[in-house]
Amino acid sequence: GNSVTQMEGPVTLSEEAFLTINCTYTATGYPSLFWYVQYPGEGLQLLLKATKADDKGSNKGFEATYRKETTSFHLEKGSVQVSDSAVYFCALSAVSGGSYIPTFGRGTSLIVHP
Amino acid sequence: DAGVIQSPRHEVTEMGQEVTLRCKPISGHDYLFWYRQTMMRGLELLIYFNNNVPIDDSGMPEDRFSAKMPNASFSTLKIQPSEPRDSAVYFCASSLENTEAFFGQGTRLTVV
Repeated sequence: GNSVTQMEGPVTLSEEAFLTINCTYTATGYPSLFWYVQYPGEGLQLLLKATKADDKGSNKGFEATYRKETTSFHLEKGSVQVSDSAVYFCALSAVSGGSYIPTFGRGTSLIVHP
Repeated sequence: DAGVIQSPRHEVTEMGQEVTLRCKPISGHDYLFWYRQTMMRGLELLIYFNNNVPIDDSGMPEDRFSAKMPNASFSTLKIQPSEPRDSAVYFCASSLENTEAFFGQGTRLTVV
């Protein structure tokens, strides 16, 4: 079946540090890949996405590149801010039983200190 | 569009009581998902609908849980009877085929 594996947290960084959150996936066919962010007390919201191999998704300084050869979609940001503190979920959308079903990783908590 | 709307935002109930969670998906979306989020298990898919038809309910934990989607703009998740271990945040999400899912704000359920 389809699955997403992302690094366990929490990830603790100082403001302006470089961020990488690793994500690898297993899927049949050609999935679309997503990163979602969840702020405290809120639902998940889409951060960025990529729909085919070598596509780069980007938003708010975050980037991730769809790497088919390594089945990876790592999230990066060059300089994090305190306001980036949240839980980040890697996800894919692929056919499962005839329907496109989103599959989520466990989430990685990011804590950014001033 | 106002996004996916869930109600109530918070629910506190006593063990044994019936609980009904409600969801209004984004207009035009043909998929609707119910998730449960806990610290222990993370985000779990409970059930999903395609064009108002339940497709896969294998994630529903027990027969105490049931979900309906009587029309394209409304869905309910019911727990009867509720138990303390059902305490969690329940999310509804909707999407078009093979696109990102849009989540509601969630319902925080506490069963005492």
